Amino acid sequence: DIVMTQSPPTLSVSPGERATLSCRASQSVSSNLAWYQQRPGQAPRLLIYDASTRATGIPARFSGSGSGTDFTLTISGLQSEDFAVYYCQQYHNWPPLTFGGGTKVEIK
Amino acid sequence: QVQLVQSGAEVKNPGASVKVSCKVSGYTLTELSIHWVRQAPGKGLEWMGGFHPEHAERVYAQKFQGRVTMTEDTSTDTAYMELSSLRSEDTAIYYCTAGRFLDFVGLNHWGQGTLLSVSS
Repeated sequence: DIVMTQSPPTLSVSPGERATLSCRASQSVSSNLAWYQQRPGQAPRLLIYDASTRATGIPARFSGSGSGTDFTLTISGLQSEDFAVYYCQQYHNWPPLTFGGGTKVEIK
Repeated sequence: QVQLVQSGAEVKNPGASVKVSCKVSGYTLTELSIHWVRQAPGKGLEWMGGFHPEHAERVYAQKFQGRVTMTEDTSTDTAYMELSSLRSEDTAIYYCTAGRFLDFVGLNHWGQGTLLSVSS
C-alpha cells in the first residue's frame, strides 16, 4: 500500500497570510493526488485533483503543485472559513485509496 | 447538482451488523462511482471500498474484506454499505461519497455522514 505522510500535523497561521501544507507519498503517485478540506462537524470537500486542478467552485486562493512523491497545497490569503483540516489522497495505485493523516490549519 | 443523503445514526452491540443507506439525487447511480469512507472519533479518513473504473468492479480495502458488503439498487438510486461482526473499533462516522464513473479523479460528492456507535 502507498503510505501518504502529511506535514506539519498542525499549522498556525494568521488570517490573510499564506499556508503551505506538504504531502509525501511512499512511492511515486505521478500526479494522481487529491486534496480535501474538512471543516469541524462537516463532511470533507474536494479541493484539488490531479495534483493541481481545482475542483468546481473552489476559490483561486487554493493551489496545488507537485508530482511523483512530493506535493504542496498552498492557501493564499487565509480567510476565516479556511481554518480546517486538510487531507491528501493518492489514487495512482489502488486499491486501497489512501489518505494522509491530515494537517490542521489553526488561527495563530 | 448531486446530493447524497444517508440514513440516520445507529447504535449496535458488538457482533451485530449494520446497513447504512445512501440515496442519490441529481444524478443516477449509474453515472457515479460510489465509495465509502469512515472516520473514527478525532481521527483521519479511512477508505473502505468503492467502484474501480478500470477494473469495472467494486473493490474493498483488505482490512474490511469478508466483513463489508457494498451494494447498489439502481431502481431507487440508493447505495448500501453493510458491515458485520461489529466491534467497538468500528465506532465512527461513515460517509458515502462519489466520484466520476469513467475515471477516478477524487471524491467530489459527499453524504452528510452516518454515526455508528458500537457498545455493549
